[in-house]
Amino acid sequence: DAKTTQPPSMDCAEGRAANLPCNHSTISGNEYVYWYRQIHSQGPQYIIHGLKNNETNEMASLIITEDRKSSTLILPHATLRDTAVYYCIVTPPGSARQLTFGSGTQLTVLP
Amino acid sequence: DAMVIQNPRYQVTQFGKPVTLSCSQTLNHNVMYWYQQKSSQAPKLLFHYYDKDFNNEADTPDNFQSRRPNTSFCFLDIRSPGLGDAAMYLCATSRAGVAGELFFGEGSRLTVL
Repeated sequence: DAKTTQPPSMDCAEGRAANLPCNHSTISGNEYVYWYRQIHSQGPQYIIHGLKNNETNEMASLIITEDRKSSTLILPHATLRDTAVYYCIVTPPGSARQLTFGSGTQLTVLP
Repeated sequence: DAMVIQNPRYQVTQFGKPVTLSCSQTLNHNVMYWYQQKSSQAPKLLFHYYDKDFNNEADTPDNFQSRRPNTSFCFLDIRSPGLGDAAMYLCATSRAGVAGELFFGEGSRLTVL
């Protein structure tokens, strides 16, 4: 699986957009980009995933660069409850999704 | 309603005393996973079941075993817990063949005295 690089921590003001970057320069053509987050003492929670096109759901938007070597997760209006560790994971499709978690980004939303 | 349920949420055991953690799911997913997450670290995959087929990660110690008696339940057995096995154990499920999400439980936190 391709390796990802994320900043270890970021701060964001409540109500503002949080933009979390992820570098995955060794991504292969068939590998998806997944984002999960983990609020303290809870299990990881799926946020969004994409292959080539930008994606949006009720939680966030995912912007993937044209060369697919990096992506950005956007939380449009961050709230205090969005404080969590955010994991960017790149993995090929297959019958069983075995996610390899990197170190992630600790996002702290400030009041 | 919770779809992946782990029990117990907190488990305290003594050094060397076997412990079993359970996971149940209401999603009818055919893939179930066990992850270990130590303090301030990312989750690490121990093994997974694809239906009844067991798939062990190469670096998972023999001390860790798993059972899946049916689609809904999966167990993690730690035969002789050491102090280094203190961690959060996370169960997850997914539907095979779908490039989508894994559903995680809330985890079982194991303390070894």
